[in-house]
Amino acid sequence: GQSLEQPSEVTAVEGAIVQINCTYQTSGFYGLSWYQQHDGGAPTFLSYNGLDGLEETGRFSSFLSRSDSYGYLLLQELQMKDSASYFCAVRDHPTNAGKSTFGDGTTLTVKP
Amino acid sequence: ETGVTQSPTHLIKTRGQQVTLRCSSQSGHNTVSWYQQALGQGPQFIFQYYREEENGRGNFPPRFSGLQFPNYSSELNVNALELDDSALYLCASSLGTVPEAFFGQGTRLTVV
Repeated sequence: GQSLEQPSEVTAVEGAIVQINCTYQTSGFYGLSWYQQHDGGAPTFLSYNGLDGLEETGRFSSFLSRSDSYGYLLLQELQMKDSASYFCAVRDHPTNAGKSTFGDGTTLTVKP
Repeated sequence: ETGVTQSPTHLIKTRGQQVTLRCSSQSGHNTVSWYQQALGQGPQFIFQYYREEENGRGNFPPRFSGLQFPNYSSELNVNALELDDSALYLCASSLGTVPEAFFGQGTRLTVV
């Protein structure tokens, strides 16, 4: 089976940097994805790491260490609109983004 | 916004009833996955359809069933509804090796 651990809540101020960690225990691993979900909205894809290292997409970066079963999402220059839930998800098929196991999410609150 | 649309957006059903939820996938996407998201938790994989065939199933009982149509749209059917089935049901479409899954806004099901 799969299990993912991430902090339940994180609070930061506008303009700051925040890191959301994710550790996983899986029977199969083909990559770690990150999704953002605003209240009542659809999860939206942020980033994907199939190999070790850092992926950067604008203000968001994601890191993966497969040997440590660990990844993180880094959000820079925080804005109020970044207040949302963030989910890490393990992809358990090499070519299938639709089959993923999600963590329970981290609620990020950005304060002025 | 993604091109994935779900209907209805909200639904109230009585315990023991049956429900059908619908999803139109992103144009060109041949794979549709269904997830259940309980309040405060991450999405849980129910099952996936690829080219009209079930292509993997999570830990959900047989009263959760689905269909995919030739145009790749999909239905999720739940029989003998239970109170614990109350959740947000999300549909996600994907294509091949592209790492991103596109989610719809979901159907909020309440079982009373």
